[in-house]
Formats: sequence, structure tokens, C-alpha cells
Amino acid sequence: ETGVTQTPRHLVMGMTNKKSLKCEQHLGHNAMYWYKQSAKKPLELMFVYNFKEQTENNSVPSRFSPECPNSSHLFLHLHTLQPEDSALYLCASSQDPDRVNSPLHFGNGTRLTVT
Amino acid sequence: AQSVTQLGSHVSVSEGALVLLRCNYSSSVPPYLFWYVQYPNQGLQLLLKYTSAATLVKGINGFEAEFKKSETSFHLTKPSAHMSDAAEYFCAVSDGGAQKLVFGQGTRLTINP
Repeated sequence: ETGVTQTPRHLVMGMTNKKSLKCEQHLGHNAMYWYKQSAKKPLELMFVYNFKEQTENNSVPSRFSPECPNSSHLFLHLHTLQPEDSALYLCASSQDPDRVNSPLHFGNGTRLTVT
Repeated sequence: AQSVTQLGSHVSVSEGALVLLRCNYSSSVPPYLFWYVQYPNQGLQLLLKYTSAATLVKGINGFEAEFKKSETSFHLTKPSAHMSDAAEYFCAVSDGGAQKLVFGQGTRLTINP
């Protein structure tokens, strides 16, 4: 079983749909992250949760709504998205977001296409 | 503010040849530096990291990187490329923990048979 699991792997949704991305980590980590990876742009940090509390929100539009019910699960709820939101969404976890010797472990991502 | 510049969005080498992927950083404090690799249809995987110990860092799959403060560089090398090295490589810098990590734009490595 991989350390960080993301579902679904692929998602196509219309601009009026509501969908959710799911992430689960089996590493016993305390921090979880959402990143957005768009073509020809650096990886963008969206949200950070540490011990289920949101510690970072990098000016992400409200059409993206994160939820972290416990340290092992992370969701990204999507609604009224725009075509420019099409990207690979990566989930990651680490033991401690403030320690440099606590590297990120990534899932395989969800490829989102907004039509 | 920190930043990372990866020189060359695409590098192509022959199998068995030296791999050199360039990374320059900007940081106002002593940086922590990382290289991650992303294989097709997968997430990023940590290759190696520099956290102020030895300046020559060895990572997985035969890769290594050298921290050169005078040149503000952290180039990634591998003496002999293998077909399985074909992937996208990301350099990243942090002045603290993972949530302060800043990634470069990535370099796609192609290996020619």
C-alpha cells in the first residue's frame, strides 16, 4: 500500500458541478498539504494542515474548500470551477511542517479537467 | 524572499552519459535545498536534500548534488544516465519547514538510447 493515496486519479467536471478530491496518508504524519501543478508553472502550495488545523491558505479562491477531519485524511471540495483550474492536484504529507528534516511525501495526484 | 531558477526546461542526454541538471537559488538566510523527481503519472519523490551538513549530498538512484554557496548553486549530477532516469526533476529551497518550500519550474530529462 502506497504511503499517500489520492482518489480519483482522473476527474472531468463541468463548471457548475460539485466534486471532491480525497487524500489518505498511511505514514503516521501530522501535516497534510494540497498543491496545484499546472503546465509550465512551478508547483503552487494551496493549503497546509497541521494536526487537523489549517495553518496556510495561499490566497486560494473560495471555489476550493479544504477539509481535514483527522491527520490521515484530507479533502478538497470543488464547486463552480473555471477552465483555468484544470491541473494536476497533488496531496502530500510530512511529519512536521516546520522541520526541514521532515520531507514531503506525495501522492500520485488527481488530474482535473474543467470543461 | 526565496527563489529557485532551474536552467533549461528540457535536457537530453544519451544513455551512459553524464547527467547535469542546474539549479540556482536565492535566499536571505542559509537555505535548505532539495531535489525531487516526478516520473510520468506519479507524484514527486525526494531524491536528496541539503540541510547544512556535508556540501556534497548523495541521493537515491546514483544521483548527487553539491552545494556551492559562492555560486548559489545546487546542481544535480549522475555519472551515467539510465533509461529509467527519464522524468521531470524539481529543485526546491526552504528557509524553514516543508510549508515554506519553493519549487523551481522543473527540468524534463530525456534519455536517448
